[in-house]
Formats: sequence, structure tokens, C-alpha cells
Amino acid sequence: QVQLVQSGAEVKKPGSSVKVSCKASGGTFSSYAISWVRQAPGQGLEWMGGIIPIFGTANYAQKFQGRVTITADESTSTAYMELSSLRSEDTAVYYCARMVVVGGRPNWFDPWGQGTLVTVSS
Amino acid sequence: SYVLTQPPSVSVAPGQTARITCGGNNIGSKSVHWYQQKPGQAPVLVVYDDSDRPSGIPERFSGSNSGNTATLTISRVEAGDEADYYCQVWDSSSDSGVFGGGTKLTVL
Repeated sequence: QVQLVQSGAEVKKPGSSVKVSCKASGGTFSSYAISWVRQAPGQGLEWMGGIIPIFGTANYAQKFQGRVTITADESTSTAYMELSSLRSEDTAVYYCARMVVVGGRPNWFDPWGQGTLVTVSS
Repeated sequence: SYVLTQPPSVSVAPGQTARITCGGNNIGSKSVHWYQQKPGQAPVLVVYDDSDRPSGIPERFSGSNSGNTATLTISRVEAGDEADYYCQVWDSSSDSGVFGGGTKLTVL
């Protein structure tokens, strides 16, 4: 059974960067994909991007292109999401989730990490 | 980019059937997945591939998808089903995940 455990809450200044980690246990890390999804306070879910560790390449939602970097370290079964040039609107809970790939196509997200609250405030 | 439209809220009495819709252009040609999210918790997958249930999800949860509308149906609704529900697809044209805006299910 795959489990995802994320790093703790962060408070950041506008203009700075944040790096959130997501450690996987169970299953074979390199064989599945990880996506990052965020949720602003009182708002819905927003897909940011994903990575398939065995391939090492990530793809990103257009909205976050140039500002987000998703990486994976197979040796520690950990994925990372770094968001730069933070602004107050980036205050949100950030989730990692295993992205189930079927027939080479990404499909659903299961399971999810517990979430990491990132607060951007001066 | 692909857009999924959900009603903001649905209300139902205990024991009745709740239906939550997810609209999208020719969504019937895509695989639709549904998540339940309770306050302060991470989302949980309740239906995948239009109508399949992960292990541990009650049979009361079912899904369908045709034309421009996918539907999550919750039969014999219980107080514990009160939550936000999100539909999701993978948009191959933009190679990105897409979520609906979410529907708050209230059990009266």
C-alpha cells in the first residue's frame, strides 16, 4: 500500500521560494508518477504538474510554467515541488498524490499526501 | 483548456439519493474520476474510470458518464457523506490534470 508523507508547514516572504517534499513508502517509487495539486483557502483543487521518476521528466500546468519545478530522488523515494517568486495568492495547502498511469496515459490520483500549508506573508 | 463544471451545492435528506453532475465538452469520451474531501482532510478517491470503485469505498457510491455529463450517484445518503466532491479528468490536448470546481454535499 503506497503512502505519501509530506513535509511540514511553511511561512514565506513574498518573492521567496518554497520547497515541499513528499516521501513515498510501499510499492516501487520509480514505477509510478507523482503529481502536485494545490488548494487555496476555501477554494477548489488545482493541478500544478507531475513527474514520472523513472523518466525524470516533469510536465507543468501552463499557469505555473517557469515558476514551479518538480523533481524526484529515487534513492530516497522522495518527490519535491519548488515554487518560486511567491506571492500572497500562493497561500494554499499543497498536496502530492500518486498519479495512476494506464496504458501510458495519466489518469487518477490515489493516494494523496496529508497536505502542506504554505503561507506567504510579509 | 478543458473546463469541468459542477453545481456549487447539492442538498439531500438522509436515506435519499444524491446526484452530483460534472459537465464538459464531450466528457463521455474521457475517463472521469471523483474525489471526496472532508474539512481539513486530503481528498480521497471514491470513483475512477467513470464507474469503478476503489477497495474500501461503499457500493452506495457509483458513477456514470455519457455525452456532455458525468454523474456521481450516492445512494442511501448518510450524515458521514457530507463533504466536497470533485470530478477530474486528464486533458490529453494540454497534457494536464483538470478538476471541476467542486460540489458541497449537504445532508439535511
